Amino acid sequence: EVQLVESGGGLVQPGGSLRLSCAASGFTFSSYEMNWVRQAPGKGLEWVSYISSSGSTIYYADSVKGRFTISRDNAKNSLYLQMNSLRAEDTAVYYCARGVRQQLANRRLDYWGQGTLVTVSS
Amino acid sequence: SYVLTQPPSVSVAPGQTARITCGGNNIGSKSVHWYQQKPGQAPVLVVYDDSDRPSGIPERFSGSNSGNTATLTISRVEAGDEADYYCQVWDSSSDHYVFGTGTKVTVL
Repeated sequence: EVQLVESGGGLVQPGGSLRLSCAASGFTFSSYEMNWVRQAPGKGLEWVSYISSSGSTIYYADSVKGRFTISRDNAKNSLYLQMNSLRAEDTAVYYCARGVRQQLANRRLDYWGQGTLVTVSS
Repeated sequence: SYVLTQPPSVSVAPGQTARITCGGNNIGSKSVHWYQQKPGQAPVLVVYDDSDRPSGIPERFSGSNSGNTATLTISRVEAGDEADYYCQVWDSSSDHYVFGTGTKVTVL
């Protein structure tokens, strides 16, 4: 059974940093693309970042580029999101999600974790 | 950047059919995926590649995609279908996942 378990969320002051982790199990982690998606309270889904199976290709949403860093450790079956210079608008539930690429221009997210809440407030 | 537009809400009586639209420029040329999110839960993929269903998803969920509109159809709606639904595409021009604005389905 595919499982994705996020951790590391919490309350942080504006300008602060936080590192999220996602522990994966039930599949060959090193064979899959991974992503972070967030959802602000009462709002819709917003894709945050993508990392290829090897970690060699990375993409970010414009809203977090230069502040967030995605990484993975295939030996530990883990995905990470280092978040720096946090702002109030980064307050959200952060989900890790497994990606599937059907073709070059066709990607979807087939499994999601339960999410971890990040609150940025003084 | 690519934009996907959904109606904020759709209401439907039990046993009837709900149709949720997802509008985007020439979306018919892209593969569209749909997610269901119930309150307090993570999203679940219910339709992928316009009209395919993952294992475990009822046949009542179907999809279509043509021109500038993709549609998720829920037949014989049940109370348990009450949720938020999001469409999604991959925008290869920006290398971004793009989600629709989301539609809240209310079962009357």
